[in-house]
Amino acid sequence: AQSVAQPEDQVNVAEGNPLTVKCTYSVSGNPYLFWYVQYPNRGLQFLLKYITGDNLVKGSYGFEAEFNKSQTSFHLKKPSALVSDSALYFCAVSGVWGSARQLTFGSGTQLTVLP
Amino acid sequence: GAVVSQHPSRVICKSGTSVKIECRSLDFQATTMFWYRQFPKKSLMLMATSNEGSKATYEQGVEKDKFLINHASLTLSTLTVTSAHPEDSSFYICSATRGGTSAYNEQFFGPGTRLTVL
Repeated sequence: AQSVAQPEDQVNVAEGNPLTVKCTYSVSGNPYLFWYVQYPNRGLQFLLKYITGDNLVKGSYGFEAEFNKSQTSFHLKKPSALVSDSALYFCAVSGVWGSARQLTFGSGTQLTVLP
Repeated sequence: GAVVSQHPSRVICKSGTSVKIECRSLDFQATTMFWYRQFPKKSLMLMATSNEGSKATYEQGVEKDKFLINHASLTLSTLTVTSAHPEDSSFYICSATRGGTSAYNEQFFGPGTRLTVL
């Protein structure tokens, strides 16, 4: 079984400050990791993914995430937060490449960027 | 590219009626589509996986007879909530993948449908 943990329900950060949204995972074999963002009453928007290669993955809207195999983490980061980044963020893991079925989501972290 | 639409975006119905939600991949062929349910401030719960031309695979605890899924074409999957009750009120989100033997695993999500059962 695979699982994802987002330990923080809520993260508050001041505009212009760096932000981090934490994610740890558990999966058999190589993990395929994703970050999605959800705005109120909207579907999920893809931010970035890690499949293989460089541990630092750059994605949309200036976000990046660092894959750390030893710590089984995939934290989402941004050097300078914007008020418009305020949204619900989901980390997800897929344990089987080529099997579209196995995407498991974390519980979500509400990010609030304060002006 | 890779746009997924859902219709309707919002629906309000009376208890006991059935509601159909459509999920369409607009610019790609989706061999696999997924249906999720999301409760307020909660994560997405996978309800079922549908492959074009075959029966949907339901997750444990999801009633097949209540949540009917049809994936009749490579661009359309429908979720019908039969005999809806207030506890079925939720945000339903679909996603789609291109699939294939060398599957690109990224799921593209629809904007969601807010169902309210009175």
